[in-house]
Parts: sequence; C-alpha cells; structure tokens
Amino acid sequence: KAGVTQTPRYLIKTRGQQVTLSCSPISGHRSVSWYQQTPGQGLQFLFEYFSETQRNKGNFPGRFSGRQFSNSRSEMNVSTLELGDSALYLCASSEGQGFTDTQYFGPGTRLTVL
Amino acid sequence: AQKITQTQPGMFVQEKEAVTLDCTYDTSDPSYGLFWYKQPSSGEMIFLIYQGSYDQQNATEGRYSLNFQKARKSANLVISASQLGDSAMYFCAMTGGTSYGKLTFGQGTILTVHP
Repeated sequence: KAGVTQTPRYLIKTRGQQVTLSCSPISGHRSVSWYQQTPGQGLQFLFEYFSETQRNKGNFPGRFSGRQFSNSRSEMNVSTLELGDSALYLCASSEGQGFTDTQYFGPGTRLTVL
Repeated sequence: AQKITQTQPGMFVQEKEAVTLDCTYDTSDPSYGLFWYKQPSSGEMIFLIYQGSYDQQNATEGRYSLNFQKARKSANLVISASQLGDSAMYFCAMTGGTSYGKLTFGQGTILTVHP
C-alpha cells in the first residue's frame, strides 16, 4: 500500500496570508490527524477527522481549521499567518477505531512564514 | 490529561551495542496505548512499536523491544545491536480513552550511534 502523502512539501508565505495543506491517507484509513512540530513547543495535536467529521481538537486558535472529504483526504487551512506558524506540519492516518490504532505519518509540509 | 516525559535529551551508543531510551507517562485513562516513533533528519515520523495498557507481554518488533512497567508508568524503548542508521530523534507517545486520533508526545531523545 502507498503511504501517507502530503502536499506541498515546502511552502513559503508572508504574514497575513493564508495557506492550505493537503494530506492523502493510506488506502482504507478513515481517520486523519494533524500535528504541528516546532523546536520550542514540540509536537502538538491540531485536530482529527473521521468520516468527514471532526472528532477531536487541540488547543489552537480558530485560524487553524480543517476538513475531510468523502475519499478521506484531508486539508488543513491556516488563515492570517503569523511568524509563529512557521513549523513542520505532519498528518497521520489510521483506521480510526480507537486508542489502539497505530497512526502512520506522512513526510510533512514545512511552512515558513516571513 | 495525558503527559509523556522523556528525560534524556541526547544519548550516545557504540555501533552494535544496545541502548535504552527512557519514557514515563501519566494518565487518568484506564485504557491507553503507548507508541515509539523515530524521526530522522528528513522529518518523517516512522512507527516503531506499540504497547497496549492491558498487554501482558512486552512488545517486540525486530531489534526494538518495549520494556513496559505499568506500576512505575514507564515504557522504555530498547534497541539492540545499534546501527549507524539508528541515529535519529526518538519520540515516545500515548493515546487513551476517547481522545480520538490524538497522540500526546514527549520532547524526544536524540540518539547518536558512533562507529
């Protein structure tokens, strides 16, 4: 099976702009989770989608939003970018059945905000 | 709330030797899962091993084993016969209860394997 794919791999934006990141899960996986990784804060959970519904959300401002499509592909949007949004954004997919599920990660999108 | 603590910012090991990476956790969930991931400099998180809270046996995957001590709330990763390619950041993480799709990560341990 193909792994989790994320596009684009690298992105440079300026403050105030918005950005959309895409994640395609492993075939058959219905859950997609998003994480932000920064040197200062480490890995932080953004949100999780399962069958087009957001089931869980982390402590991020409303500028961070996401959605999931019927084919389980997911997008994450960040509006009004701030310098502090520069990070590696990772998505992970799993079967979504519960806490025993293993999450498999994509290669990440490295976002730089200037 | 769940918390993962990795107290070793960096570890060094000689090639072919074994190394233990420490992880302690805290949770109020009666059922939970514990995971270890490897992150090379390329950035991709690679799943290594999983241990469920009710599993009686310690998990093993090839050269990786998880030393699970439930009473002490520890889930240490043991890598046997270290290889140069094992040099990377290693994260301990956990899920639990109805916290769907959320992994809580530790701060990570950078492992360097010397030839």
